[in-house]
Amino acid sequence: DARVTQTPRHKVTEMGQEVTMRCQPILGHNTVFWYRQTMMQGLELLAYFRNRAPLDDSGMPKDRFSAEMPDATLATLKIQPSEPRDSAVYFCASGPGTTIDIQYFGAGTRLSVL
Amino acid sequence: GQQVMQIPQYQHVQEGEDFTTYCNSSTTLSNIQWYKQRPGGHPVFLIQLVKSGEVKKQKRLTFQFGEAKKNSSLHITATQTTDVGTYFCAGRDYKLSFGAGTTVTVRA
Repeated sequence: DARVTQTPRHKVTEMGQEVTMRCQPILGHNTVFWYRQTMMQGLELLAYFRNRAPLDDSGMPKDRFSAEMPDATLATLKIQPSEPRDSAVYFCASGPGTTIDIQYFGAGTRLSVL
Repeated sequence: GQQVMQIPQYQHVQEGEDFTTYCNSSTTLSNIQWYKQRPGGHPVFLIQLVKSGEVKKQKRLTFQFGEAKKNSSLHITATQTTDVGTYFCAGRDYKLSFGAGTTVTVRA
């Protein structure tokens, strides 16, 4: 049963600490998305990769957030330094093709920054 | 820029009744997807619509893409408690955008 795997599922950290979230996309998928979900803002697109190349990271605060795909099986989202307003659920999603926008979401990382 | 609007934001439905949620865009979309997110869960892909006027059905769910490809609807018949959750649409013109979702609660 192919699925997108995200780690960790939960993360509690203190303000100023670095946070790294990881995502393993479904094997064979060539698009990867990072989203942030909060009650106030809903689902926000942070970054979008196609064939490991970043295509759109306009939704991501550049000063503290960074997203990378070191290889086809791993995507990372880092926050440094973290702030309480970063508390949210972060979802990774992967998709099967360059012209198809269907996305399969991971279970998410629930981040709490104290 | 493109904005995908969903209405209503909340839908309270009596079990057994029908309801419809709508997704509207200010620009023409090349495609639209619908997702469902259960409370505490993650969005799950339901359907993709690509063609103007396209209608697709999944059991009690009927999805429609408008003729002008600027709007879409999801109609659920005979609502059940398993339909509880938030339904999102996502559409693409030059970029992909998610609507804010319609959160559905069901009265037994």
